[in-house]
Amino acid sequence: DADVTQTPRNRITKTGKRIMLECSQTKGHDRMYWYRQDPGLGLRLIYYSFDVKDINKGEISDGYSVSRQAQAKFSLSLESAIPNQTALYFCATSDSLAGARDTQYFGPGTRLTVL
Amino acid sequence: GDSVTQMEGPVTLSEEAFLTINCTYTATGYPSLFWYVQYPGEGLQLLLKATKADDKGSNKGFEATYRKETTSFHLEKGSVQVSDSAVYFCALSDRRAQKLVFGQGTRLTINP
Repeated sequence: DADVTQTPRNRITKTGKRIMLECSQTKGHDRMYWYRQDPGLGLRLIYYSFDVKDINKGEISDGYSVSRQAQAKFSLSLESAIPNQTALYFCATSDSLAGARDTQYFGPGTRLTVL
Repeated sequence: GDSVTQMEGPVTLSEEAFLTINCTYTATGYPSLFWYVQYPGEGLQLLLKATKADDKGSNKGFEATYRKETTSFHLEKGSVQVSDSAVYFCALSDRRAQKLVFGQGTRLTINP
């Protein structure tokens, strides 16, 4: 079984709809991240969480919100989806121990299309 | 702020060719440097890393050396295979903010 799973893997929705992307991990890591990938732009950080009670905005958090329901679960919501949120979304995790926290482990991604 | 710049792709090579993908960075302090690889339809996976100047990271025949004087971390492989076709991302760790900063990615295609 994969260590970091994302659901759904693909989603097509319409402008204005609320969408939730879910991420679960079995690695026992405290830290979790949400990124979006756009062609030619690499990965950009949306939100990150260093533990269940800690949520931080990344560089492109506008239009998104997150919920850390448990150590193993971190959800990303689009309250009112718009077409320029069409992208590939990745969840990632990392350990909190010094020397290990730099290495992130990625899920397989969710391809979201907003029409 | 910190940033990473990679050579633009796509890069197309023949099997057994020598590969170089350039990566330079701008950072305050002394970041760790990474190469991640994304195979078709998959998430990113760590390929190699280096944590201090002059360190060489290596894995699966790929190598990269942390060059502080030129702020570079170029990825090299002596003889590429079709299975190396993927998108490669250079990244640095912003130790102060404890986050990764990624380059834009370089798509590599290897033809048999």
